[in-house]
Amino acid sequence: GESVGLHLPTLSVQEGDNSIINCAYSNSASDYFIWYKQESGKGPQFIIDIRSNMDKRQGQRVTVLLNKTVKHLSLQIAATQPGDSAVYFCAEKEGGKLIFGQGTTLQVKP
Amino acid sequence: KAGVTQTPRYLIKTRGQQVTLSCSPISGHRSVSWYQQTPGQGLQFLFEYFSETQRNKGNFPGRFSGRQFSNSRSEMNVSTLELGDSALYLCASSRSGVAGGETQYFGPGTRLLVL
Repeated sequence: GESVGLHLPTLSVQEGDNSIINCAYSNSASDYFIWYKQESGKGPQFIIDIRSNMDKRQGQRVTVLLNKTVKHLSLQIAATQPGDSAVYFCAEKEGGKLIFGQGTTLQVKP
Repeated sequence: KAGVTQTPRYLIKTRGQQVTLSCSPISGHRSVSWYQQTPGQGLQFLFEYFSETQRNKGNFPGRFSGRQFSNSRSEMNVSTLELGDSALYLCASSRSGVAGGETQYFGPGTRLLVL
């Protein structure tokens, strides 16, 4: 079946730097994508979403970019803070369910 | 507005037993989905309920079942537990479901350990 994957299992950044987390998806028909953040011992927390009719969407300190040509999704976090340390998942809609990637662990160094 | 709540938070069972997990969605949300999260398989979709009816189902054996009540609260049941059922079970709710491009909000999960 279709799957959503992330390029790197772990990303380590310095506090204050910008972080970029990448995700490749394989279903070209997908029209809705979400980024979630999961901290240890908690459920996934919604960060930002984007629909296929958009290329970019911005939130508070986060930006999601969608490149449908190469089926690539990225999450940019500006001025990364220690509280941003978590596992980040991209997910794509497939019918009535979400298909999740394996996740990228973001480590923020002080 | 209160978030998605799940009970119990932690559970220990032995092989062969059965277990029931509960989920209360965000007020006004009628769609409830269940996911299983394991280190090896990641997050996998179990099923979705909407208006007391199962609307979508993932690729899990029949030992996994669920139901939804008229107040949108949902339960999932796993019968004849196996060691491999040890996982974090997550519930997510949305107003009318992901199919319409709606965001799903997750609860904290129930950590199930099967011995």
